[in-house]
Amino acid sequence: EDQVTQSPEALRLQEGESSSLNCSYTVSGLRGLFWYRQDPGKGPEFLFTLYSAGEEKEKERLKATLTKKESFLHITAPKPEDSATYLCAANSNSGYALNFGKGTSLLVTP
Amino acid sequence: DAGVTQSPTHLIKTRGQQVTLRCSPISGHKSVSWYQQVLGQGPQFIFQYYEKEERGRGNFPDRFSARQFPNYSSELNVNALLLGDSALYLCASRRPGTSEETQYFGPGTRLLVL
Repeated sequence: EDQVTQSPEALRLQEGESSSLNCSYTVSGLRGLFWYRQDPGKGPEFLFTLYSAGEEKEKERLKATLTKKESFLHITAPKPEDSATYLCAANSNSGYALNFGKGTSLLVTP
Repeated sequence: DAGVTQSPTHLIKTRGQQVTLRCSPISGHKSVSWYQQVLGQGPQFIFQYYEKEERGRGNFPDRFSARQFPNYSSELNVNALLLGDSALYLCASRRPGTSEETQYFGPGTRLLVL
């Protein structure tokens, strides 16, 4: 059964304190690994799509990487406005449905 | 370009009632998927539609149904509402026929069942 697990569940950082969020996946035939940001009460906002192990993508203070079993979302020198829930999802060769983890709730304090 | 739009934004219903949620995809996107997100959890897949046909269904009861129209917009219907149906309902669109797998989400409809 396809499974996506995110850790930690919650993370509190000081402004400027870099860290990484983890997403472990067990998917038969990975089509894509996706990262989204979600603010309270809003829909997920697309960040990155990764397709193959070794791939990396960057956007401002965020960098996503992919291995055969995990993906990491690295946050460099975060700011309070980076506070949100970060969701990881994967889909497989069996279809286009996204299988989501429970998310990591990130709080960045000034 | 406008993103995925959903209506209504909020809805309050009572147990046993029926509800219809609406979604318009990004222009040029022909595939629409529906997800349910309860508080503190990641979204769960309900349906995917492409070219007006159901292409995938998640583990939800038959009280949930959907359809897609010729203009690629979509409706999600839920009958005989239960308290446990209270959630944020999300619509996502995708452009099939390319190597692009990304699904883009709308703002969601918050459903409260009393």
